[in-house]
Amino acid sequence: GAVVSQHPSRVICKSGTSVKIECRSLDFQATTMFWYRQFPKKSLMLMATSNEGSKATYEQGVEKDKFLINHASLTLSTLTVTSAHPEDSSFYICSARGRIAGGPRVADTQYFGPGTRLTVL
Amino acid sequence: QKEVEQNSGPLSVPEGAIASLNCTYSDRGSQSFFWYRQYSGKSPELIMSIYSNGDKEDGRFTAQLNKASQYVSLLIRDSQPSDSATYLCAGAGAGSYQLTFGKGTKLSVIP
Repeated sequence: GAVVSQHPSRVICKSGTSVKIECRSLDFQATTMFWYRQFPKKSLMLMATSNEGSKATYEQGVEKDKFLINHASLTLSTLTVTSAHPEDSSFYICSARGRIAGGPRVADTQYFGPGTRLTVL
Repeated sequence: QKEVEQNSGPLSVPEGAIASLNCTYSDRGSQSFFWYRQYSGKSPELIMSIYSNGDKEDGRFTAQLNKASQYVSLLIRDSQPSDSATYLCAGAGAGSYQLTFGKGTKLSVIP
């Protein structure tokens, strides 16, 4: 249980284009999803938190107009990097928390997706 | 400000030894703690969660929590080269679903 998928796993795009990353919880309903960014050899940086059906809460310094988050259902959240630039190149990771029948206490357990490596040329 | 501190390492142990990873946290309201393992270029993978004072064992892994000392640790018995990774400690406050992560400790298990 507690499988989170991300698509695509890797994307290379030209500067100025927009890139959409999907995050899905496959075997549980994710009441909350989180988006992180990680630069090489650096720690995870929380970008935003999204609850199903409501607007995402962005961390300080994260541009909400550049990083659009949609959490349309209990199993899907998307992150769109708009007008991407080379400095947006990073490893983007989503995580989800929710309820898993018969599983560990999950009210505050985050399960991570495999990540999406974005390279902007 | 909530903080989770970890020794960045690298921590090197010989194969078969016990690796001890430590973590301290500043928020006394933190209720839940997690250890994640992250291989280079991969996303974090949950290893253990612990909510109560004392020890919790799962296979070769033992998590220890001491809320009075605001200290969490992870012991890895019979360390294997495949355990070489960065280990992230994280805490969550009561009623909070956001995790505060430490910067991670890099573990190297030497064959």
